[in-house]
Amino acid sequence: RKEVEQDPGPFNVPEGATVAFNCTYSNSASQSFFWYRQDCRKEPKLLMSVYSSGNEDGRFTAQLNRASQYISLLIRDSKLSDSATYLCVVSRGGFKTIFGAGTRLFVKA
Amino acid sequence: DTEVTQTPKHLVMGMTNKKSLKCEQHMGHRAMYWYKQKAKKPPELMFVYSYEKLSINESVPSRFSPECPNSSLLNLHLHALQPEDSALYLCASSQAGDHTDTQYFGPGTRLTVL
Repeated sequence: RKEVEQDPGPFNVPEGATVAFNCTYSNSASQSFFWYRQDCRKEPKLLMSVYSSGNEDGRFTAQLNRASQYISLLIRDSKLSDSATYLCVVSRGGFKTIFGAGTRLFVKA
Repeated sequence: DTEVTQTPKHLVMGMTNKKSLKCEQHMGHRAMYWYKQKAKKPPELMFVYSYEKLSINESVPSRFSPECPNSSLLNLHLHALQPEDSALYLCASSQAGDHTDTQYFGPGTRLTVL
């Protein structure tokens, strides 16, 4: 079993749709959690850090459930420019950062 | 725009060549990372430097040799690579190097080994 697992995707959604991505992690010692987005042939860029209290940034909402070892990302009112691969990233301290395999999102007009 | 720069953007090398990848950041970060990313796969951690000392080597073959000359620079020396080493090599940096820090990535060097 992989330490960080994500929905395989791809997700194909129309503009304006709401889409949710899920991620689970297996190491209960994990301490920090992030969502990154990666465009084709580009570097990963931080989308948001994920906190236990949940956090929102415009159309994006991230949630963390430590008891279930589960992280989610909700995108509302999808735009064409949201098309990318979304990477769930977990850090368990000591510089050890584990990336999930990523979920590809295609937003179509 | 990224504040982590990497050179070269593209590199093609033979299996007997020696080359180096370079990474620079001017954000005052004290941790720097090398990742390898194959197509349609997530980045895989290779090395981490913290305060210019090697903190993590993820059992990377010795044909990859990292170097951190100062807190702003990170090099990856390549020698006798194999075609399967062809990948995108990403450099990242973070502020204090602990688990709470966000990593910022450079644009990567796309390496092809012939």
